[in-house]
Amino acid sequence: GAVVSQHPSRVICKSGTSVKIECRSLDFQATTMFWYRQFPKQSLMLMATSNEGSKATYEQGVEKDKFLINHASLTLSTLTVTSAHPEDSSFYICSARFGGDGQPQHFGDGTRLSIL
Amino acid sequence: AQSVTQLDSQVPVFEEAPVELRCNYSSSVSVYLFWYVQYPNQGLQLLLKYLSGSTLVKGINGFEAEFNKSQTSFHLRKPSVHISDTAEYFCAVSELDDYKLSFGAGTTVTVRA
Repeated sequence: GAVVSQHPSRVICKSGTSVKIECRSLDFQATTMFWYRQFPKQSLMLMATSNEGSKATYEQGVEKDKFLINHASLTLSTLTVTSAHPEDSSFYICSARFGGDGQPQHFGDGTRLSIL
Repeated sequence: AQSVTQLDSQVPVFEEAPVELRCNYSSSVSVYLFWYVQYPNQGLQLLLKYLSGSTLVKGINGFEAEFNKSQTSFHLRKPSVHISDTAEYFCAVSELDDYKLSFGAGTTVTVRA
């Protein structure tokens, strides 16, 4: 089945640090990748949608200068949390899908980000 | 825009008992429907999806769901649960011309021996 790899699985760092999270589709070419944020005991909140070679589309209320997304190839998207602060601590999950009607999103295992 | 309501936030169930997780959606257009499972500290795994055709959809791990257009529901069922089914379950919907997913709030299933 379709596999999405997300790294790192956990990050602990000091306030002010920038953190990069990678999302790779291992066995398919992802036309679209998505980045979500999940707070404890809550559902997933879509942050942005990215297509290979084009700028990401951010959801309302998500700071694009804070959460930089790069989708450099059909198998790799990165999310960089710039100058992270404690309020950015969360569980970040990526997903990817390939083209075609009804194709589901395939999710990575998430990254637990803790900012001290 | 579409929305998803999962009617039960928590469902405790005994091992080998049946379970049903309820999901209702609202949308002005036709939709695709999905159920995902999330184990602790992991991403989401697709259980099953409804695109078209037969309203009864079978998925992995013995789960099935039934699409009811008139009631705008997509309830998930399993006839006999295992301890390993303890997880968070999310119902999600996307409109046919939009691949974004709208998720329900999730249902926590706790299976006890």
